[in-house]
Amino acid sequence: DAGITQSPRHKVTETGTPVTLRCHQTENHRYMYWYRQDPGHGLRLIHYSYGVKDTDKGEVSDGYSVSRSKTEDFLLTLESATSSQTSVYFCAISESPASNTEAFFGQGTRLTVV
Amino acid sequence: DAKTTQPPSMDCAEGRAANLPCNHSTISGNEYVYWYRQIHSQGPQYIIHGLKNNETNEMASLIITEDRKSSTLILPHATLRDTAVYYCIVRAPGTGGADGLTFGKGTHLIIQP
Repeated sequence: DAGITQSPRHKVTETGTPVTLRCHQTENHRYMYWYRQDPGHGLRLIHYSYGVKDTDKGEVSDGYSVSRSKTEDFLLTLESATSSQTSVYFCAISESPASNTEAFFGQGTRLTVV
Repeated sequence: DAKTTQPPSMDCAEGRAANLPCNHSTISGNEYVYWYRQIHSQGPQYIIHGLKNNETNEMASLIITEDRKSSTLILPHATLRDTAVYYCIVRAPGTGGADGLTFGKGTHLIIQP
């Protein structure tokens, strides 16, 4: 398995509180991504990074921010969590976005906002 | 990504080969076919990908028809741990890695003991 660790694996938080999810990789891959997965919506891209300090928005970026200060770590922050952000969050990595490059996913973080 | 069509579910006996079909009749010449799977409560897992030639790795084989309009993922000796939802994805030119990866409904493969 690719060396991707997401933490925490499960979290319950209250509406309005800040939450940070961490993705750590040991593969030295340049590209890192945050997705959320919800029933009926499949995977949806939140933010991605194409290098240290280089990030961009995905399809559903509102309410989320990211940071990447080191190659191995990509942080996803919910500044003020809402119930609509209850979801399973997956981190993914890839060497490049070239069309013959595969992606590797972490085990996911199940976030519940009450 | 080009549209793919997969059966919603399939059963296979443990120890037998599982053959998962995928139709992608609108595929264009430079689009790759990828297979991922997702075991319950886990992250998606890359299985294999190919362009024109058949491919094999330690997990599976990918058979792509000559006209590239369909493909079959083969798990040679299915085990109970292969029970998962399998996704066939055709990547548009210029997209790869986890860039805008779109998972459809996939095929729920159930391995029977």
